Amino acid sequence: GENVEQHPSTLSVQEGDSAVIKCTYSDSASNYFPWYKQELGKGPQLIIDIRSNVGEKKDQRIAVTLNKTAKHFSLHITETQPEDSAVYFCAASRVSGNQFYFGTGTSLTVIP
Amino acid sequence: KAGVTQTPRYLIKTRGQQVTLSCSPISGHRSVSWYQQTPGQGLQFLFEYFSETQRNKGNFPGRFSGRQFSNSRSEMNVSTLELGDSALYLCASSLTAGVGELFFGEGSRLTVL
Repeated sequence: GENVEQHPSTLSVQEGDSAVIKCTYSDSASNYFPWYKQELGKGPQLIIDIRSNVGEKKDQRIAVTLNKTAKHFSLHITETQPEDSAVYFCAASRVSGNQFYFGTGTSLTVIP
Repeated sequence: KAGVTQTPRYLIKTRGQQVTLSCSPISGHRSVSWYQQTPGQGLQFLFEYFSETQRNKGNFPGRFSGRQFSNSRSEMNVSTLELGDSALYLCASSLTAGVGELFFGEGSRLTVL
């Protein structure tokens, strides 16, 4: 089955700096890669996703890059703000179903 | 539009008991998935239902089971509870059976004593 690894497990940045979280996957058949943000006491919420036919996608301060050859994808958050503090999860899935394989999460702290 | 609703939010059980968790998806969503979240393992896929049929099942023992009703509401059951079953159980709904955005509920936190 698919194995998704995520690094780092914790990340602290100063407000206004950038944050980068990296994930690798093992199954070359995976072709959908979402990123979820989970705030304390809440369920994960999708913040951005990318499909395997695209190398990069941006949405305001958030961007995701995908390298299919190397089987890794990354989340980039620029101009971080305190409200970006949360746990971020990467995931991988095949198009055939809603079975997602999640990374173990990155706890991001943005220091004001 | 109401989000995904999970009940109960918190529950405490003892080893050997069984538990049933409920999930009401977003109106119009027909796919419901269940995930177990623990600090060390992250989110692990349990199973997915679409139109009352189990489409996918994760690598969990047979003590974990689920079902989906005609109104898309879903339940999961864990029998013969073990200490290691303590976790946050998350339900997610999706509009279609194909890959798409998952909308998660806030979860049911199960503690097994």
